[in-house]
Amino acid sequence: SAVISQKPSRDICQRGTSLTIQCQVDSQVTMMFWYRQQPGQSLTLIATANQGSEATYESGFVIDKFPISRPNLTFSTLTVSNMSPEDSSIYLCSVGGRTNEKLFFGSGTQLSVL
Amino acid sequence: AQSVAQPEDQVNVAEGNPLTVKCTYSVSGNPYLFWYVQYPNRGLQFLLKYITGDNLVKGSYGFEAEFNKSQTSFHLKKPSALVSDSALYFCAVRASGSARQLTFGSGTQLTVLP
Repeated sequence: SAVISQKPSRDICQRGTSLTIQCQVDSQVTMMFWYRQQPGQSLTLIATANQGSEATYESGFVIDKFPISRPNLTFSTLTVSNMSPEDSSIYLCSVGGRTNEKLFFGSGTQLSVL
Repeated sequence: AQSVAQPEDQVNVAEGNPLTVKCTYSVSGNPYLFWYVQYPNRGLQFLLKYITGDNLVKGSYGFEAEFNKSQTSFHLKKPSALVSDSALYFCAVRASGSARQLTFGSGTQLTVLP
């Protein structure tokens, strides 16, 4: 299994500002994923972050709004840019296991935008 | 396209009684199926998976799930519910051999009443 540390665990931000969420894994992983869980909703994949290449974004998500960095095989960041109240969600980092059959999740970042 | 349906937003059961949380799926080809649990203010924890083999899969905390190909279902079950099982449960699917990441259901809030 993988141990994932995600921070901050929660934050309250002002409209128009940006927040960067960090995800640290205790082992080297090829693929890291960022999910969003809006209030009362299921998880939606934002993007897949591969080391050494640009992130792959899902439909409805763009790099200007959610820039992602993946500088090495154990670390990634997701930035939520120019925030609005609609961005209030839980943001989750996840990684695949050795066989990529299942995902391990960080504890999430609870973001509230005023 | 792949999808997951969890028809019940809320399931209530008395402690000691059996519980079932329903899940049906749609995917091209053979499915990889998963159940995750989310406790308040926590990330998702893996419960169990079906990849191949026996249709009855046993997982963590006494949970099990039965894969039914003809009904395209993967219901989560436990013979005797505990109050501590109260949480949000997500079913997820992806096609075997597919690079697509998991698609999650909308979640079912399980409440076990003492």
